[in-house]
Amino acid sequence: DAGVTQSPTHLIKTRGQHVTLRCSPISGHKSVSWYQQVLGQGPQFIFQYYEKEERGRGNFPDRFSARQFPNYSSELNVNALLLGDSALYLCASSLAGTYLYEQYFGPGTRLTVT
Amino acid sequence: DAKTTQPTSMDCAEGRAANLPCNHSTISGNEYVYWYRQIHSQGPQYIIHGLKNNETNEMASLIITEDRKSSTLILPHATLRDTAVYYCIEETSGSRLTFGEGTQLTVNP
Repeated sequence: DAGVTQSPTHLIKTRGQHVTLRCSPISGHKSVSWYQQVLGQGPQFIFQYYEKEERGRGNFPDRFSARQFPNYSSELNVNALLLGDSALYLCASSLAGTYLYEQYFGPGTRLTVT
Repeated sequence: DAKTTQPTSMDCAEGRAANLPCNHSTISGNEYVYWYRQIHSQGPQYIIHGLKNNETNEMASLIITEDRKSSTLILPHATLRDTAVYYCIEETSGSRLTFGEGTQLTVNP
């Protein structure tokens, strides 16, 4: 079975622009979480979705939003990009998002804001 | 947020045991400790978790002290492919992983 897939792999945006990142979970998984990883630091939790409903939100500004689709794939949207948004964005899928040992991470999307 | 303390970096010789310590002094009685690792340019990968008893799986062993304030992850026979950042994570409320900065383990030939 395929693992978690994310697209695109890399992208470069300019300050003030908008970006959409995509994640496809492992087949059968209904929960998706998003994390931001700035260079040299551990990942930071942004959102969790389960069955298309937001289950949790981290300490990120309203410029960050997400949604989950009926097929359980997910999008992370970031508006009005800042230089500080440059990071690796990771998606993790799990069956129901309940247990912390069942988080399966994708390879991430590397976002560079110039 | 719950906070763990780990050394910034460690080295280990290939074939030897790697012992990675973690302090989690704020952990509560029913909270698990989780270990994940992140190989360069990849997403984090689950290794093992435990509550109060020592745990072992095909990847590693986890030794938790009796007072549960610290633990040690043991890779019994480290290989070059075990070079990664290792994260020790306290369970927190909500279904989210709270990563610290982790320990960069370098396995040397």
